[in-house]
Amino acid sequence: QKEVEQDPGPLSVPEGAIVSLNCTYSNSAFQYFMWYRQYSRKGPELLMYTYSSGNKEDGRFTAQVDKSSKYISLFIRDSQPSDSATYLCAMSRPSGNTPLVFGKGTRLSVIA
Amino acid sequence: EPEVTQTPSHQVTQMGQEVILRCVPISNHLYFYWYRQILGQKVEFLVSFYNNEISEKSEIFDDQFSVERPDGSNFTLKIRSTKLEDSAMYFCASSGQTDYGYTFGSGTRLTVV
Repeated sequence: QKEVEQDPGPLSVPEGAIVSLNCTYSNSAFQYFMWYRQYSRKGPELLMYTYSSGNKEDGRFTAQVDKSSKYISLFIRDSQPSDSATYLCAMSRPSGNTPLVFGKGTRLSVIA
Repeated sequence: EPEVTQTPSHQVTQMGQEVILRCVPISNHLYFYWYRQILGQKVEFLVSFYNNEISEKSEIFDDQFSVERPDGSNFTLKIRSTKLEDSAMYFCASSGQTDYGYTFGSGTRLTVV
C-alpha cells in the first residue's frame, strides 16, 4: 500500500460548487497534515495545516483529519475559477520539521 | 510576504555534467530542504539541512548529490554527474523553528539531455 494516496482527478466543477478533496494514508505515525495548492510550473503553496485529528477552517477552506480512518479532506466552498490548480495533500511525523510525504495531487478545474 | 527564491528557473545540461541549483531561503528560517518532482509524479523529499549539517536524507539523495550553505543566505544543491533521470523540477523550501508549513520556492526545472 502506498504511504499517501490521492485521486489525481481531474475534477471539474461549476463555479460556486462545494469541492471535496481527499487523501488516505497508511502510516499511523503521521501527526501533521497539510494541504498545498500548486499552479502549473510553480512551487507548492501552503493552504492549511492541522495537527492530529479535527477540523480547521480558513475562509472558504476547511480541512478535516480523521486519524482513526487515516483519512483527510479539504473542502472548498463557493469555488472560483481562480481555485483551478492542483491540490496536494502532505503529511509528516511529529518530530518537528520532518520530511513531508506528498500525495500525487488532484487537478481541479472550476468552470465559470 | 517573505519568499524563497530559486535560480535559475530553468537549466539545461548535458548528461554527465555537474549542476548547482541555488536557493535563498527566508532569512529567519532555520530548516532548509530540497524536494524534487518528476513530471507527472509526486513531490519527493531529497534532503533536510539544519545547523549547517544534513539532518535527514532520502534514498534518492545518493553520493551524486550534495548540499551546502556557503554563506548566511544561500543554500545550494549540487548534482555531480547528471543522468537523464535527474530531469525534474527541484524545489527548495525553508521553515522556522515551530512552523510546520514549509515555504517552497518556485522551483528550478532541470533538463538533462
